[in-house]
Amino acid sequence: SQQGEEDPQALSIQEGENATMNCSYKTSINNLQWYRQNSGRGLVHLILIRSNEREKHSGRLRVTLDTSKKSSSLLITASRAADTASYFCATAYSGAGSYQLTFGKGTKLSVIP
Amino acid sequence: KAGVTQTPRYLIKTRGQQVTLSCSPISGHRSVSWYQQTPGQGLQFLFEYFSETQRNKGNFPGRFSGRQFSNSRSEMNVSTLELGDSALYLCASSLIGAGANVLTFGAGSRLTVL
Repeated sequence: SQQGEEDPQALSIQEGENATMNCSYKTSINNLQWYRQNSGRGLVHLILIRSNEREKHSGRLRVTLDTSKKSSSLLITASRAADTASYFCATAYSGAGSYQLTFGKGTKLSVIP
Repeated sequence: KAGVTQTPRYLIKTRGQQVTLSCSPISGHRSVSWYQQTPGQGLQFLFEYFSETQRNKGNFPGRFSGRQFSNSRSEMNVSTLELGDSALYLCASSLIGAGANVLTFGAGSRLTVL
């Protein structure tokens, strides 16, 4: 299966600490995307990193991609209570003339004030 | 710019009934994807439509179907509802397709089957 696997499944930290979530996948990808979901709502795109990129930043977010290990990590620095949400990685690969995007099961992050 | 709009937001049905969910994508987006989200299975891909054509389909039974109209609005239909169909159904739009672009999601339609 192409589906990414996030690790850990749940993470609880104190406000101000850094949070690191990992994603592993099984086959070659074109890009990898991270999304956030607040409880029971739609997902919000955070960062897209292409297969030829190794690191991207957006504000307090840093994403790395290691295609040799088929893994990615999302780092949230100086976490805030508002960062409490589920975080999903999604792997994109092209096949049969179109892209497919497959989501992992997510990491549930709780930031304690 | 208006976001992705899904209707209805909540609905309750009984086993055996059918349901139709609607999704209006962001203006200019030609691709609409549908996902089913449950606590046990996570986000499962249902299908993707582009310019009124189904481009990709996930591993769901034929009871799940969809279509896309010329204005890119999309509907999905689930017939002969089962208890296991209770889920949050998410629609997402993108310029040219899931994977090639980022997805913009709607707030979802929460279906409860009794």
